[in-house]
This record gives sequence, structure tokens and C-alpha cells, in this order.
Amino acid sequence: GESVGLHLPTLSVQEGDNSIINCAYSNSASDYFIWYKQESGKGPQFIIDIRSNMDKRQGQRVTVLLNKTVKHLSLQIAATQPGDSAVYFCAENFDSWGKLQFGAGTQVVVTP
Amino acid sequence: GAGVSQSPSNKVTEKGKDVELRCDPISGHTALYWYRQSLGQGLEFLIYFQGNSAPDKSGLPSDRFSAERTGGSVSTLTIQRTQQEDSAVYLCASSNEGRGLSPQHFGDGTRLSIL
Repeated sequence: GESVGLHLPTLSVQEGDNSIINCAYSNSASDYFIWYKQESGKGPQFIIDIRSNMDKRQGQRVTVLLNKTVKHLSLQIAATQPGDSAVYFCAENFDSWGKLQFGAGTQVVVTP
Repeated sequence: GAGVSQSPSNKVTEKGKDVELRCDPISGHTALYWYRQSLGQGLEFLIYFQGNSAPDKSGLPSDRFSAERTGGSVSTLTIQRTQQEDSAVYLCASSNEGRGLSPQHFGDGTRLSIL
């Protein structure tokens, strides 16, 4: 079946560097994508979203890029901080009722 | 509170018992979702409520699972005759519309352990 997946299960980043987390999706009909951050023992926390009619969206220290041609989504975190250490999930909306399909997640580890 | 609230935060029960998990969505949110997250895994959709419409139960793994949403607000997920494979974190989310174009906001989940 169609699915959302992540290229890298673990990403180690030095504090202050930029992080890039990648996600591949296979459902060409998906029209809405979200990045979530999940810390241990907590629920997923919304970071940023993007609709399929856009290719870039910026938030505070984060940027999401969408390349529909190759069905690729990425999350860029600028000046990564220790508090950014968490598991990051991409999710796609694959129907008109808002059900999200999640990737397996990428563990981001920020080292001093 | 301002966020999605789930209770209990942890539940340990014996195999074969029934459990009820509760979710209080963000006030005013019309859409409510239940997901399940197994250890180290992504989230698996279970069920979705939108306003007064019939719920989308397509993700429920078996007929031991059921959910209801009373008065368009609080929701309860019930698992009957629990099995060890039901052990997981059960997450609830809500959004202010159900057409899939606004973010879902999650609670911190109920960690369910079946002995």
C-alpha cells in the first residue's frame, strides 16, 4: 500500500548546526503534510504544516520544503539546540476526512 | 486546560479485562481522532469523529475495540477482553475542522500495559 517513510532513522547533529530531516511519500493525492516533534513520554507536538499548493513554508527556526515531483518532504531546523532532541514524524493527509498517515520517525540527537 | 487532555496517563491491567480510555479535546474542536503507537513505532490511525457524522471506524483492529463521543466533545475508547498485543500508547488528537487541512493537536496519551 502507499505509505509515508523516512530515509534516516537517526540523525546526530552538533549544537548550532542546521538539521535536515527527510521524508518520502508515495500517495500523489495527498494534499496536506505536517511535521511533528515527539519527546519521550509526550504526545506529538505540531511543528509546521504545508499544503500541496506550496513548495516552501517557514516558521520560527524551521522550514518545510515540499517537492511534489519526487514526492519528497523535508524539515530544516536552523541552529539546532539541545531542546530539539526528539523523534520527528512526517505525516500526510491521505483522504478528505483528515486521517493522517505517519512515517516511522527520525530520532534527532543534538550533541554539544 | 488549553490542550487535549487524556486519562489515565498510565493503565496496567490483566489480560482479559476491559479498559476505558478518555479524551477531552480542545474546546471548540469538531474533529477528534484516536491513534495507537507501539513502542518505537509511528502512529496507527484507529477511529475518527467529525461533528454529528457517523464515525470512521476503518482503523479499529478488531471488534474488541469501540469508541464513542458524547455531546460532540469527550470521547471514550473501550477495549474489551484485552490482549497483550493491545499494549501501546493510545493517543487522542483534535482539530478545528475535519477536512484534513488543519493540524491535529495531540494529548500526551494513555500508556496501556497488559500483563
